[in-house]
Amino acid sequence: EADIYQTPRYLVIGTGKKITLECSQTMGHDKMYWYQQDPGMELHLIHYSYGVNSTEKGDLSSESTVSRIRTEHFPLTLESARPSHTSQYLCASREAAKNIQYFGAGTRLSVL
Amino acid sequence: GESVGLHLPTLSVQEGDNSIINCAYSNSASDYFIWYKQESGKGPQFIIDIRSNMDKRQGQRVTVLLNKTVKHLSLQIAATQPGDSAVYFCAENMAPGGYNKLIFGAGTRLAVHP
Repeated sequence: EADIYQTPRYLVIGTGKKITLECSQTMGHDKMYWYQQDPGMELHLIHYSYGVNSTEKGDLSSESTVSRIRTEHFPLTLESARPSHTSQYLCASREAAKNIQYFGAGTRLSVL
Repeated sequence: GESVGLHLPTLSVQEGDNSIINCAYSNSASDYFIWYKQESGKGPQFIIDIRSNMDKRQGQRVTVLLNKTVKHLSLQIAATQPGDSAVYFCAENMAPGGYNKLIFGAGTRLAVHP
């Protein structure tokens, strides 16, 4: 079982609000990822980081932003939430020498 | 473009039977493949992996087969149990520009009936 945590698990928020989804891992992994997943669908990479002060955009365009100030922490921010942002957001981390990504439980976001 | 896809969106099996979940991939340069299990309300959980220089790998009750000739990956679950009910994703590892990333397929839902 990987030690990667996401909060909140569920979030219902109104349009225009600023939100931050938290992701923390205690394994000391350098590489971290954010995916967006609609129910029953595949995961789409929206952001990734190879270490502190490293952030890159993923394959799926997203209006969200990320930061990586500490190795263990990789928060995702939406400055102005919209209904189109309604989805599940999954955070993952990976050991340097392995290709296995370990996932958190996800944040299910609903924007009204 | 490159993609990973699954042949069957839903698979129903009887408890105790063997299950086979299939996956097609199109990127011949992928060097590593992973199967994940995702239960309702949870994040994907690693099941088993296989490198492109192998054609078979076995774990506890699970076996992954890789056929590079036809770009096909399968996950076999022996003696399927109700706890195996979940959505299963295959993922291929790509390394464009030296940066590893996983490309996920659409998933297959496995429903185990008593």
